[in-house]
Amino acid sequence: GIQVEQSPPDLILQEGANSTLRCNFSDSVNNLQWFHQNPWGQLINLFYIPSGTKQNGRLSATTVATERYSLLYISSSQTTDSGVYFCAVVRTIYTGANSKLTFGKGITLSVRP
Amino acid sequence: DAGVTQSPTHLIKTRGQQVTLRCSPKSGHDTVSWYQQALGQGPQFIFQYYEEEERQRGNFPDRFSGHQYPNYSSELNVNALLLGDSALYLCASSLAGGALEQFFGPGTRLTVL
Repeated sequence: GIQVEQSPPDLILQEGANSTLRCNFSDSVNNLQWFHQNPWGQLINLFYIPSGTKQNGRLSATTVATERYSLLYISSSQTTDSGVYFCAVVRTIYTGANSKLTFGKGITLSVRP
Repeated sequence: DAGVTQSPTHLIKTRGQQVTLRCSPKSGHDTVSWYQQALGQGPQFIFQYYEEEERQRGNFPDRFSGHQYPNYSSELNVNALLLGDSALYLCASSLAGGALEQFFGPGTRLTVL
């Protein structure tokens, strides 16, 4: 099956700093989503981005499908940005319903005041 | 607009027991997927329900079973619980149609003693 690798595994930032989180995948994908998991375990949707660039406030994401990677940018980080960031991809489209997501192991971000 | 809901929030069981977890999808969604997240790992796909049928299944034993009701809500049942079944169980809802965006509930944290 497809392999999803995220880097770095851990990241510590001072409040106000910028960061780039990377997601590499081993094969072509039909969908890619970025999530933020809060301390209570809830996965919060950040971006649905199979290709191209999107921005939402201080966050933006770019997926270069032909080179098999995606980047999540966080600018002017805040303590509330702390948590685990997951990248998840769809390799094979299942036409009978929706397609399963394959997740990376996540990046743990700590933003210090 | 109600998001994805799951119940219960936490659950403690002993080895050999059976457990049922519940999920109500986001309003307007008809497809429910279940994922298991062990500590420090990314979520792993268990199975998916659409039109009250199991459509796809991940690499999980048949101790894991499910059901979808006409109102699209879903249950995950686990029989003969093992210590290794301790995890966060996440439900995701979406529309059927290939590789559409999935939205997750807050999860049920299962502890098996």
